Amino acid sequence: QKEVEQNSGPLSVPEGAIASLNCTYSDRGSQSFFWYRQYSGKSPELIMFIYSNGDKEDGRFTAQLNKASQYVSLLIRDSQPSDSATYLCAVGANQAGTALIFGKGTTLSVSS
Amino acid sequence: DAGITQSPRHKVTETGTPVTLRCHQTENHRYMYWYRQDPGHGLRLIHYSYGVKDTDKGEVSDGYSVSRSKTEDFLLTLESATSSQTSVYFCAISETKPTGEGPQHFGDGTRLSIL
Repeated sequence: QKEVEQNSGPLSVPEGAIASLNCTYSDRGSQSFFWYRQYSGKSPELIMFIYSNGDKEDGRFTAQLNKASQYVSLLIRDSQPSDSATYLCAVGANQAGTALIFGKGTTLSVSS
Repeated sequence: DAGITQSPRHKVTETGTPVTLRCHQTENHRYMYWYRQDPGHGLRLIHYSYGVKDTDKGEVSDGYSVSRSKTEDFLLTLESATSSQTSVYFCAISETKPTGEGPQHFGDGTRLSIL
């Protein structure tokens, strides 16, 4: 059974701080990794994807991947109250077109 | 935003009735997926399609069937709805990437209540 694990939270950070969200996965053959943001009552929205080991930056967001440790993380710099949401980690298998395996999500709360 | 439309957006129905949910895309993406999302379980795959008339089962396919007669439409049918199928249903689409899966993009969801 392929699994993706996330701490459910809530993770609480003050406005302007760095939020660090973590995810581990069980399938060593996984090749693609995604972070989605989901506001309450809304659909998941893709915010980052990463395929190679290392860091990938996009604005205030940085995704970090370590395949040897089977670990992927998302850093949100200068956190804003509008970042308060549930963040879903998703991992793809080593086969095109197959579905992603989602973690249950980490709830982030940014206080002003 | 990806051109994905789910219909209906909300539905209330009774146990034992058939229900069909529709997902329509304007992106011409090859892959389409149906997920359900429940508290404590996260997103779980029901069925997916990798082309017209090509579908496969996901993690929680029992009690559900799908059809894809056109690239743009993917239908999810509950033949005889049960209360355990009360959930929020999301359709997603993706295109092939050389490295494997491309990102999936989600529709707005259908909130289904079965009484």
